[in-house]
Amino acid sequence: KQEVTQIPAALSVPEGENLVLNCSFTDSAIYNLQWFRQDPGKGLTSLLLIQSSQREQTSGRLNASLDKSSGRSTLYIAASQPGDSATYLCAVRGNTPLVFGKGTRLSVIA
Amino acid sequence: DTAVSQTPKYLVTQMGNDKSIKCEQNLGHDTMYWYKQDSKKFLKIMFSYNNKELIINETVPNRFSPKSPDKAHLNLHINSLELGDSAVYFCASSQDGLGLIDTQYFGPGTRLTVL
Repeated sequence: KQEVTQIPAALSVPEGENLVLNCSFTDSAIYNLQWFRQDPGKGLTSLLLIQSSQREQTSGRLNASLDKSSGRSTLYIAASQPGDSATYLCAVRGNTPLVFGKGTRLSVIA
Repeated sequence: DTAVSQTPKYLVTQMGNDKSIKCEQNLGHDTMYWYKQDSKKFLKIMFSYNNKELIINETVPNRFSPKSPDKAHLNLHINSLELGDSAVYFCASSQDGLGLIDTQYFGPGTRLTVL
C-alpha cells in the first residue's frame, strides 16, 4: 500500500529565503508525482507534475525533483515571498489512485 | 469561466438527512473525481468516473452514491448522513482516464457539517 510522507509538517521562513519541502513515498512503482498548493478554504492548485521518466520540472521560482528509486521528491522554492504562504501537498499516482501526503504548511514572514 | 465548480460551498445539516453536492467542469475533460478531506487535512479519493462510467470506488460506504448525467457533471448524493461525514469534499477532473499523464484540476470544495 502506497504511503506518502511530507516533512516538515510546518515551516516558517523570512521573506527572500530559499527553501526545500520534502516528500517520500513507499512504493517506487509510480506513473507520476505531483505537487499542489492549497490556500485556506480553497481548492488545490497544481504546481508541477513529474512523470516517472523525468528527474525534475521547473516553473518560475519552483523546481521539483524526483528520485524514483529512493522514493523521494523535493520542491525547491527560490526567493520566497509572503504570497507563497500556503499548504503544499505532494501526491503520487501508481497502481492505486492518487495518494496524497498530509502536506507542509508554509508561512513566509515579511 | 471557473474550470471546476461545486455547489454549495457550505452545507450544514442534521444527522440522518440526505444531501447532494453538485460538480461541473467546463474543461472538456473525460474523467472526474470526488475526494474527501477530513479534519486532519488528509485528502483521500472516493470515486472516479470516466465518460460517465465508474472506474474507481475506494471502499466508500454505499450511503454515498455518485451520479454522472454527462461527462461534464459528477454529483455526489449522500444518504442518512452521519457525524463522521463532516469534511470538505473536493471535485476534480483530468483529461486522461486514469490520471497517468495529466494533472488534476480541483474545485473549491464543499464544507459539509453534520450536526
